[in-house]
Amino acid sequence: AQSVTQPDIHITVSEGASLELRCNYSYGATPYLFWYVQSPGQGLQLLLKYFSGDTLVQGIKGFEAEFKRSQSSFNLRKPSVHWSDAAEYFCAVVETGANNLFFGTGTRLTVIP
Amino acid sequence: DAGITQSPRHKVTETGTPVTLRCHQTENHRYMYWYRQDPGHGLRLIHYSYGVKDTDKGEVSDGYSVSRSKTEDFLLTLESATSSQTSVYFCAISDSGLRGRGYTFGSGTRLTVV
Repeated sequence: AQSVTQPDIHITVSEGASLELRCNYSYGATPYLFWYVQSPGQGLQLLLKYFSGDTLVQGIKGFEAEFKRSQSSFNLRKPSVHWSDAAEYFCAVVETGANNLFFGTGTRLTVIP
Repeated sequence: DAGITQSPRHKVTETGTPVTLRCHQTENHRYMYWYRQDPGHGLRLIHYSYGVKDTDKGEVSDGYSVSRSKTEDFLLTLESATSSQTSVYFCAISDSGLRGRGYTFGSGTRLTVV
């Protein structure tokens, strides 16, 4: 069965600092991988996705993620965090050829001035 | 989000009563999904639909039923609400599956069962 692990429940960073949110998946083949962001009281918005090809994926809002097959990871990064990035971030995976996303438990990001 | 509307946005109901949540889309997307979001669990799939009258169960479908009689509407029914069903419910839609734009999520329905 596929699963997604986000080991960090809550992360606090200073504005302007770099950010890395961790995501590990468990799945036999290469899955499709996603990062979503959720602002308070809102639905989820897609940041980026990986299907195949270049393992470094660029997304919206200056985010990027790198797929590392050897580590079964898809970590999200941003070189300089802005106060507006404070939100909850979800990693998600789907079995190749299927349409149902499985989500991690999320990482809440707090940005301090 | 534009093109997908959930109603109601908030609801408080009593244990044992039936509750129906509505998801309405104007995008003509084939796939529709219902998720619930709970602290420490992320989002979990309840049911999904891959066409009119075509639905299937997700990982947490017990106590829930769905119907899709039109492309634009996907209804989630709690047959007899329990306190464990207090949650935030999200509807999502997708067009050609995940290789397209992926999922578009609604703004959620916060349901409290007392």
